[in-house]
Amino acid sequence: GIQVEQSPPDLILQEGANSTLRCNFSDSVNNLQWFHQNPWGQLINLFYIPSGTKQNGRLSATTVATERYSLLYISSSQTTDSGVYFCAVLTLDTGRRALTFGSGTRLQVQP
Amino acid sequence: GAGVSQSPSNKVTEKGKDVELRCDPISGHTALYWYRQSLGQGLEFLIYFQGNSAPDKSGLPSDRFSAERTGGSVSTLTIQRTQQEDSAVYLCASSLNRNPSEAFFGQGTRLTVV
Repeated sequence: GIQVEQSPPDLILQEGANSTLRCNFSDSVNNLQWFHQNPWGQLINLFYIPSGTKQNGRLSATTVATERYSLLYISSSQTTDSGVYFCAVLTLDTGRRALTFGSGTRLQVQP
Repeated sequence: GAGVSQSPSNKVTEKGKDVELRCDPISGHTALYWYRQSLGQGLEFLIYFQGNSAPDKSGLPSDRFSAERTGGSVSTLTIQRTQQEDSAVYLCASSLNRNPSEAFFGQGTRLTVV
C-alpha cells in the first residue's frame, strides 16, 4: 500500500516562531488532509489539499502532487498549536478507499 | 447531526468481555470509517463502509473484531473476548459519497481492558 512519511517526528518551538512540517508519500494521491490532534485526542481538520496551496489564518499548506509531498506551515506559533499533526492520504489506484495516515509530528510550543 | 458522534467516550471492561462501540456519522455522509489509535501511535485503519457496497474489512486485526452499519447510517464496532492489547482509542470518521472527499472524525472512544 501507499507509504506516508512525516518529518520531523518531534519539534519544540518557542512561542512566536515559525515552522514547516513535511509529508512525503509514495504514490499519486487523490486526497490529502492535514489534521491537528489536540491534547484531548480530538482530530481537527486543518486542510483538504490534494494539490495546490491554501491558507487559513496563521496556517498554510502546499501540496506538490507531481513530486509527492506536502508542506504545512505554521507562523507565529502559539502554545495552543501544541499537539500532533497528521498527514493522511488516499489513492484511488488501490482497492482501499480510506485514508492512510503518517506517524505524525509532535509539536510542543513553549511560552 | 452537526458532527460525527461516538459513544461511549470512555469504556473500561474486563478481559474476556465483549464490547460495542457506536458511531453516528454526519447526516448525509454515506462513507464511514473506523480507525484505532494505540497510545502514542498513529491511526490504524480497521474497516470502511460505503453506501450499500460490501465493506472493506481488510484492516480488522482478528476475527474477534466485527462491525455493522444499519440503515446506511449508525455503525457499531464489536470486539469479542477483549484482550489487553485491544486497549486503544477507537475513532470513527465519515465523508460524502464521492471519491475523494474530506473526512471528518468523531471524538473517539477510549477503551481500556483490565
